[in-house]
Amino acid sequence: QVQLQESGPGLVKPSETLSLICGVSGYSISSGYYWGWIRQPPGKGLEWIASIYQSGNTYYKPSLKSRVTISVDTSKNQFSLKLSSVTAADTAVYYCARGSGSLNWFDPWGQGTLVIVSS
Amino acid sequence: QSVLTQAPSVSAAPGQKVTISCSGSSSNIGNNYVSWYQQLPGTAPKLLIYDNNKRPSGIPDRFSGSKSGTSATLGITGLQTGDEADYYCGTWDSSLSAVVFGGGTKLTVL
Repeated sequence: QVQLQESGPGLVKPSETLSLICGVSGYSISSGYYWGWIRQPPGKGLEWIASIYQSGNTYYKPSLKSRVTISVDTSKNQFSLKLSSVTAADTAVYYCARGSGSLNWFDPWGQGTLVIVSS
Repeated sequence: QSVLTQAPSVSAAPGQKVTISCSGSSSNIGNNYVSWYQQLPGTAPKLLIYDNNKRPSGIPDRFSGSKSGTSATLGITGLQTGDEADYYCGTWDSSLSAVVFGGGTKLTVL
């Protein structure tokens, strides 16, 4: 079955760039679907960050767009997230997930990775 | 402040039925399909309902979804203690060109 796994540093300094990778197994990214990132600050709700189609078409949350880059590497069957100029407010569990063609649902999700922004 | 509005919490006894509501607008729920997610403590969200009322393979029929106008509802029958979790609604917002989620509803099975 399709499985997603996030990887990246668990600690990032303020003002630096957060970089995460989502490895996909059991399904070829090139075959379709959107692929996205969602985060959840400790004790809070879900916040969608960005999604990308295998063709490279992207959507970003408007309030984060200036700081976010999402990209896909079909040769490695993975996609990545870069979030620049991070602050403590970016501390969260970051999930990657597969999204529907109309971005109305996400399934499956990765297990999530906690990223703490602190000096 | 979430674009979609959910009650923060709901509770019910084992074996009973509960409904969780999600309110939006014409730019999101009113003109797009709604999905629901279950997040058990310490785990990633899991898709429960998609396209308003469809269940992915493996989701029991105790879980149901419906939509009317700019609101959607998740129903859970035959409540079990294992259903204690946070439940989120989500959809696409055509005006924002963004995915939006509700703030989540914490279900307690007393």
